[in-house]
Amino acid sequence: RKEVEQDPGPFNVPEGATVAFNCTYSNSASQSFFWYRQDCRKEPKLLMSVYSSGNEDGRFTAQLNRASQYISLLIRDSKLSDSATYLCVVNSAGGTSYGKLTFGQGTILTVHP
Amino acid sequence: DGGITQSPKYLFRKEGQNVTLSCEQNLNHDAMYWYRQDPGQGLRLIYYSQIVNDFQKGDIAEGYSVSREKKESFPLTVTSAQKNPTAFYLCASRSSGGDFTDTQYFGPGTRLTVL
Repeated sequence: RKEVEQDPGPFNVPEGATVAFNCTYSNSASQSFFWYRQDCRKEPKLLMSVYSSGNEDGRFTAQLNRASQYISLLIRDSKLSDSATYLCVVNSAGGTSYGKLTFGQGTILTVHP
Repeated sequence: DGGITQSPKYLFRKEGQNVTLSCEQNLNHDAMYWYRQDPGQGLRLIYYSQIVNDFQKGDIAEGYSVSREKKESFPLTVTSAQKNPTAFYLCASRSSGGDFTDTQYFGPGTRLTVL
């Protein structure tokens, strides 16, 4: 089983749609969680951290369920500019402090007019 | 401007040659990382360094070497022993305060192609 698993998609949605991505992780000792966005042939950029209570940043909402080892990202009112690959990222340090991140393979989102 | 720079952006290498990829940061970050990304796959950790003059192997270190002589610089050498070096190489840095929530910031990457 992969440490971090995502549905690779692709997800094709019209502008204005709501879309949700899911991610599961296998290491129950994982301490912190992130969503990164990666545009084609570019570097990943932090979209948002994911907190236990869930958090929202504009049109983006992230949720964490530690019991089920599950993370989600919800995008409301999709824009053309949201088209990208979304990477689920987990800090799998397990008690160390070197900040090792484990990346999912990414979910591809295409928003069309 | 604060950030991470990588050079070159594109690199072509003949089989059997060693090449060195540059990574520089002016964010005053202690920790630096090297990843490779292959099409359709997540990033995989090659090497990381938490402090000057110290570095550790990641998950796929075979065929690679690094040095960390300065805080700002963490060059990666892809040696001829690396069997499948064609990939997108990403350097990242992180402020190392022992806080698990510190995030990593990435440079723009180097695309290496072996001819």
